[in-house]
Amino acid sequence: NAGVTQTPKFRILKIGQSMTLQCTQDMNHNYMYWYRQDPGMGLKLIYYSVGAGITDKGEVPNGYNVSRSTTEDFPLRLELAAPSQTSVYFCASSQGPLAVAKNIQYFGAGTRLSVL
Amino acid sequence: DAKTTQPPSMDCAEGRAANLPCNHSTISGNEYVYWYRQIHSQGPQYIIHGLKNNETNEMASLIITEDRKSSTLILPHATLRDTAVYYCIAPQTGANNLFFGTGTRLTVIP
Repeated sequence: NAGVTQTPKFRILKIGQSMTLQCTQDMNHNYMYWYRQDPGMGLKLIYYSVGAGITDKGEVPNGYNVSRSTTEDFPLRLELAAPSQTSVYFCASSQGPLAVAKNIQYFGAGTRLSVL
Repeated sequence: DAKTTQPPSMDCAEGRAANLPCNHSTISGNEYVYWYRQIHSQGPQYIIHGLKNNETNEMASLIITEDRKSSTLILPHATLRDTAVYYCIAPQTGANNLFFGTGTRLTVIP
């Protein structure tokens, strides 16, 4: 039972480089999310998607892009990496809206990104 | 989300019950209270949720006051593996994300 899988686990980027953080889930969940977590801080929502072809901005979307071509996959793209994007990135999914009791949010193991 | 307030840190002796409080005085009548935890360097993990009644599952118990302004997460027999940051969250109806604040850092002491 894989759940939410993120790759890679670690990555070091140089300033200005680009990369894609991969996220896939095998639970047939409609909703998917990307969060970032800076040291000692809580999670901040970057982007989310309520279904294939539909994405929306969260609290901190600047410098990131997403796409949702399939139910399973929700990649996060960094186009011009900056030191401020050094963080741990978590992907998550849920069956439906989070305020509905049955819709638990499941998280991946995270991607540690350093931009130097 | 309804604003939640948690103590920044707590200690608990191994084998004893850990009682983690949360204030959510602005919660609306139909908003659930969720608890998640994050063990160091891992993704957050769902623990339990409730609306009005007390709830229990294999991981923990959740006690919600009658006025719903506060709740307590109880880990009945804390182990070293329960050392983590615990988040109390009350998402607004229609919310599309959970607001993870800074939570309570629980340290279980041998």
